[in-house]
Amino acid sequence: NAGVTQTPKFRVLKTGQSMTLLCAQDMNHEYMYWYRQDPGMGLRLIHYSVGEGTTAKGEVPDGYNVSRLKKQNFLLGLESAAPSQTSVYFCASSYLAGRGYTFGSGTRLTVV
Amino acid sequence: SQQGEEDPQALSIQEGENATMNCSYKTSINNLQWYRQNSGRGLVHLILIRSNEREKHSGRLRVTLDTSKKSSSLLITASRAADTASYFCATDASGTYKYIFGTGTRLKVLA
Repeated sequence: NAGVTQTPKFRVLKTGQSMTLLCAQDMNHEYMYWYRQDPGMGLRLIHYSVGEGTTAKGEVPDGYNVSRLKKQNFLLGLESAAPSQTSVYFCASSYLAGRGYTFGSGTRLTVV
Repeated sequence: SQQGEEDPQALSIQEGENATMNCSYKTSINNLQWYRQNSGRGLVHLILIRSNEREKHSGRLRVTLDTSKKSSSLLITASRAADTASYFCATDASGTYKYIFGTGTRLKVLA
């Protein structure tokens, strides 16, 4: 039982490049979330999804897009990476609203 | 903006002592959760307390919730070196599906 898997684990991008972060869960969870974690800032919600085919904006959505075409996958896209997007990105999922989250191990992204 | 704020930002104690961390939040909530994060790792869910509950226990963890003061506390009893980690509270504002995390308390337990 893998839980929540994030790929890649590390990535270095040049300013202006694009990339997609993949989050996959095998627990049949309805809800999925993308957070970013920066030093001294805690975790900030980027986008989330309450079910297959749905997405919604979180606290800091600018510069990111997401898609949830399949229930088990939640993709986070950066269309034109900027140094301000250097961060550790965490994906999480939960079975129901109001339940505890299961987190992935994170993707460390550096934009130079 | 952060919904929850933990206090203190950092805490250092001796093994065997108790550790208390506090969380304050701004709006009405459905639930409050506490998470642990070991350095460089993902967050691990510790405990969830609902807005109609005042206290909850799980092993060496005790969580209290005071909705009138919009605050919660996490007590770790008989701490161990393995408890060294950052601890975060997370709240879901009433009517939303999303949890907002605080900035965390860094706990160091000295052997």
